[in-house]
Amino acid sequence: NAGVTQTPKFQVLKTGQSMTLQCAQDMNHNSMYWYRQDPGMGLRLIYYSASEGTTDKGEVPNGYNVSRLNKREFSLRLESAAPSQTSVYFCASSEGVGQGSDEQFFGPGTRLTVL
Amino acid sequence: SQQGEEDPQALSIQEGENATMNCSYKTSINNLQWYRQNSGRGLVHLILIRSNEREKHSGRLRVTLDTSKKSSSLLITASRAADTASYFCATDDRAGNMLTFGGGTRLMVKP
Repeated sequence: NAGVTQTPKFQVLKTGQSMTLQCAQDMNHNSMYWYRQDPGMGLRLIYYSASEGTTDKGEVPNGYNVSRLNKREFSLRLESAAPSQTSVYFCASSEGVGQGSDEQFFGPGTRLTVL
Repeated sequence: SQQGEEDPQALSIQEGENATMNCSYKTSINNLQWYRQNSGRGLVHLILIRSNEREKHSGRLRVTLDTSKKSSSLLITASRAADTASYFCATDDRAGNMLTFGGGTRLMVKP
């Protein structure tokens, strides 16, 4: 099992460009999450999906949109990138429905730079 | 805002010594988790302790939880160079829908 996979690993954008970060898990988990991690900081939750077909805002949702495409896949879209969105983005999943308090499994991250 | 705050922010010890990291949080929780992050990697789950538990062990890891003080500690015994990483505590919201992570403790274990 690959666990949680993310693409791309690295991305450089110009201000105003758009892009979609992809995430997939093969553990049949119900809940999925998108976090961002700024240098020297902890993770902050952007959006989460407690089950297939549902999404909810986290702590820092502004400037982002998400799609829970199916049970396996959860994508994060930046419609108009800004330098403040330069960060490392992590996708995670957990087994239960709406059970963020379960153990979460993390992908390797996408390092995004917005110029 | 971050629910959990780790202390110290950075810790440097010699191989074989014990490392203790602390986490304080503000609101009631269902459980508290500890994660490790090696440089440039994703987080890896270490241990989960529920609000009705006071102590939990996993290998060289010992976690305590004091809900009256809203604090937890992670002890790594007989540290190894491979333990060099950042360690984060994470607490859930009462609904159990999400985790909030602290800023982390950067641990360096010198060989």
